[in-house]
Amino acid sequence: DAKTTQPPSMDCAEGRAANLPCNHSTISGNEYVYWYRQIHSQGPQYIIHGLKNNETNEMASLIITEDRKSSTLILPHATLRDTAVYYCIVRVKAAGNKLTFGGGTRVLVKP
Amino acid sequence: DGGITQSPKYLFRKEGQNVTLSCEQNLNHDAMYWYRQDPGQGLRLIYYSQIVNDFQKGDIAEGYSVSREKKESFPLTVTSAQKNPTAFYLCASSILAGVDEQYFGPGTRLTVT
Repeated sequence: DAKTTQPPSMDCAEGRAANLPCNHSTISGNEYVYWYRQIHSQGPQYIIHGLKNNETNEMASLIITEDRKSSTLILPHATLRDTAVYYCIVRVKAAGNKLTFGGGTRVLVKP
Repeated sequence: DGGITQSPKYLFRKEGQNVTLSCEQNLNHDAMYWYRQDPGQGLRLIYYSQIVNDFQKGDIAEGYSVSREKKESFPLTVTSAQKNPTAFYLCASSILAGVDEQYFGPGTRLTVT
């Protein structure tokens, strides 16, 4: 699985959009980009995933660059409850394949 | 309510004792996983199971054992051979291993003294 690079931390104002970057320059053609988040002392929560096209669901939007070497997770209207560590993971969808969690980005939403 | 339950939330044991952590899911998922998380670190895979009566070692399986006798249950035993057992343990499940997104339980924080 390709390695990902995320900033260790970032702050965001409540009510504003939070844009979380992720670099995955060695991504291969069949690897998906997944995002999970982990609120303190809880289990991680799946947010969204995509291959090439931008994706949107009720939680967030995922923007993947055309060359697929980077992506951005967008939380459109951050709330205090969005304070968490956000993990960007790149992996192949294959039977038996596992998730590899790196350090993630610690996002602090401030009032 | 469908989901994954882990019990207990906090567990304390003396060094040298084996301890078993519970993980149950009612999502009808085939695959289940155990991860370990140390303070300020990401998750590391201990064991996973794609189907009943089958399981594979993850990245840090030494000192741990698992069983998968029922689809709903995937208990993890932390043995006395595990050198640094104090950690936050997370169980997860997915419809199929490696294909679908994983759903995580609330975790068990194990402290061994």
